[in-house]
Amino acid sequence: DTAVSQTPKYLVTQMGNDKSIKCEQNLGHDTMYWYKQDSKKFLKIMFSYNNKELIINETVPNRFSPKSPDKAHLNLHINSLELGDSAVYFCASSRELAGVLGTQYFGPGTRLLVL
Amino acid sequence: AQRVTQPEKLLSVFKGAPVELKCNYSYSGSPELFWYVQYSRQRLQLLLRHISRESIKGFTADLNKGETSFHLKKPFAQEEDSAMYYCALRGQGAQKLVFGQGTRLTINP
Repeated sequence: DTAVSQTPKYLVTQMGNDKSIKCEQNLGHDTMYWYKQDSKKFLKIMFSYNNKELIINETVPNRFSPKSPDKAHLNLHINSLELGDSAVYFCASSRELAGVLGTQYFGPGTRLLVL
Repeated sequence: AQRVTQPEKLLSVFKGAPVELKCNYSYSGSPELFWYVQYSRQRLQLLLRHISRESIKGFTADLNKGETSFHLKKPFAQEEDSAMYYCALRGQGAQKLVFGQGTRLTINP
């Protein structure tokens, strides 16, 4: 099944813990993204990687550290979780071909709840 | 600065009625505009993009550079159109999408 997949789907944890969310795409795309959707459903870019290289970092706290082991994976590690980190995190991917940016395809989202 | 505004947080219409979801943007260059839809318990998916100039599921959207708008329209709403709709902008040569706040569309039977 070709798609963008994320694990876990749900994550409930205590404040202060460290957690990771994984994202994988098998679409052959070279660019991957993390977006955060807050409680008001507002979607905002966090990071973008192109060919394992960080190209977008949108004033996200240092507690968030993305890691891209290869083009097909972009993981998000969060240290010292805070209540305000509760949100749905979406991974996405796209392909750039001859300078033309393709459509972004989204994963199903990971719902993080920090207690 | 790039900004996308969807003035209606909630929109409710009856089945068979016309639907228009508003989207306004601010961007100094030539943007790419998109509409994404998120059905209940499903992932965000692309509905249409302005450069394709196509109609998907009966929806159309025209980029109006004079009014800096990209409103989404459908002449006859169906119950399965109930979903969250996001307007998004991508600047020239940019990777990221800038999203509006989203509009929750409810089609009443």
